[in-house]
Amino acid sequence: QKEVEQDPGPLSVPEGAIVSLNCTYSNSAFQYFMWYRQYSRKGPELLMYTYSSGNKEDGRFTAQVDKSSKYISLFIRDSQPSDSATYLCAMTKMAGGGNKLTFGTGTQLKVEL
Amino acid sequence: DTAVSQTPKYLVTQMGNDKSIKCEQNLGHDTMYWYKQDSKKFLKIMFSYNNKELIINETVPNRFSPKSPDKAHLNLHINSLELGDSAVYFCASSQPQGTLAYNEQFFGPGTRLTVL
Repeated sequence: QKEVEQDPGPLSVPEGAIVSLNCTYSNSAFQYFMWYRQYSRKGPELLMYTYSSGNKEDGRFTAQVDKSSKYISLFIRDSQPSDSATYLCAMTKMAGGGNKLTFGTGTQLKVEL
Repeated sequence: DTAVSQTPKYLVTQMGNDKSIKCEQNLGHDTMYWYKQDSKKFLKIMFSYNNKELIINETVPNRFSPKSPDKAHLNLHINSLELGDSAVYFCASSQPQGTLAYNEQFFGPGTRLTVL
């Protein structure tokens, strides 16, 4: 079993829909949680970054972390065709000390007109 | 442009050859990484350097050898290429250790390696 599990999709939604993307993880030592967006044939780019449990909002994007359930989510409101990409969750144990990001396998999202 | 850049973008080669991928960042970061992304999009770390010092060395065949001539450059040399090495290789960088921003990694565009 992988440390971080993510439904690969593909997930297809109409424009304007609310999208919910999720990851579960098994290692309770993870404290920093990130969402990366990767367009086809491009490198991942950081979208959201949260520390420990709670919510963080940035424009149409909201990241949620529930450490007690080992579950993180990314919500996209008013989804646009330009949101079509693969979304990768990533997490790490602590800042410093040569820590590595552990990624989920990514969820492919397609927002259709 | 401030960014992480990689060369080449595409690399097609025969089994058994030796090849190198170069990475440069002009973000002023201290830490650089190499990741491998397989055909199922799974992204896995291979190596990390902090200020030219190797700090992460995952279970990677010793045919893969990273080299950091200075903190802005991290190259990856692969000997005796095998079919299973076909993947996209990403370079990334991040702020110095000990800062919260350390975990925010900035990725290059990737090098798509195909071994025939």
